[in-house]
Amino acid sequence: DIQLTQSPSSLSASVGDRVTISCRASQGVSTYLAWIQQKPGKAPKSLIYGASSLQSGVPSKFSGSGSGTDFTLTISSLQPEDFATYYCQQYNSYPLTFGGGTKVEIK
Amino acid sequence: EVQLVESGGGLVQPGGSLRLSCAASGFIFNNYPMSWVRQAPGKGLEWVSGISDRGGSTYYVDSVKGRFTVSRDNSKNTLYLQMNSLRAEDTAIYYCARITGATHSWGQGTLVTVSS
Repeated sequence: DIQLTQSPSSLSASVGDRVTISCRASQGVSTYLAWIQQKPGKAPKSLIYGASSLQSGVPSKFSGSGSGTDFTLTISSLQPEDFATYYCQQYNSYPLTFGGGTKVEIK
Repeated sequence: EVQLVESGGGLVQPGGSLRLSCAASGFIFNNYPMSWVRQAPGKGLEWVSGISDRGGSTYYVDSVKGRFTVSRDNSKNTLYLQMNSLRAEDTAIYYCARITGATHSWGQGTLVTVSS
């Protein structure tokens, strides 16, 4: 099974900050990597697929990069509505797997 | 607009069974593989099961193999998850998800509680 390791597991940031979250896969997943946002009590919401393609309707402040084993999610200017938990997910091969999550909190 | 609506969750005793359903709309259902993902209280996301577009191939996380069965009825645009021999550790919100193509979509989830 492919393990996904996210870092950091949590972070505190201020409104307007640039935030970067990393995801490392235990083996290559090409660009079959998605980033997902989840707010408390809500269903997950997909932000990025194919490592760097923005889901329709998702603001351009979110961006993704990487291929193979190392990936990054960047939020260019953090806004109050962006405080949430973010997960990476590989869909290169079954079983599909998720990273442990990064909780983004208000400083 | 892609919509996925889960149903069938509830309270069940350990060892019991439950069948979840996911009604899909807004896309050509039989063109896409589908998945079930769960989230235990206070925990992260865990992929549970997947099925190919025509239903010929199925996949499971090790912890549910032999107990859960995924299926689909493409004539009804519906995905199912039959859960048998349920355990306390199966307690979670279960999400139906399309995790492929250019639009990854999630349902709102249905809560399964396994408790005596």
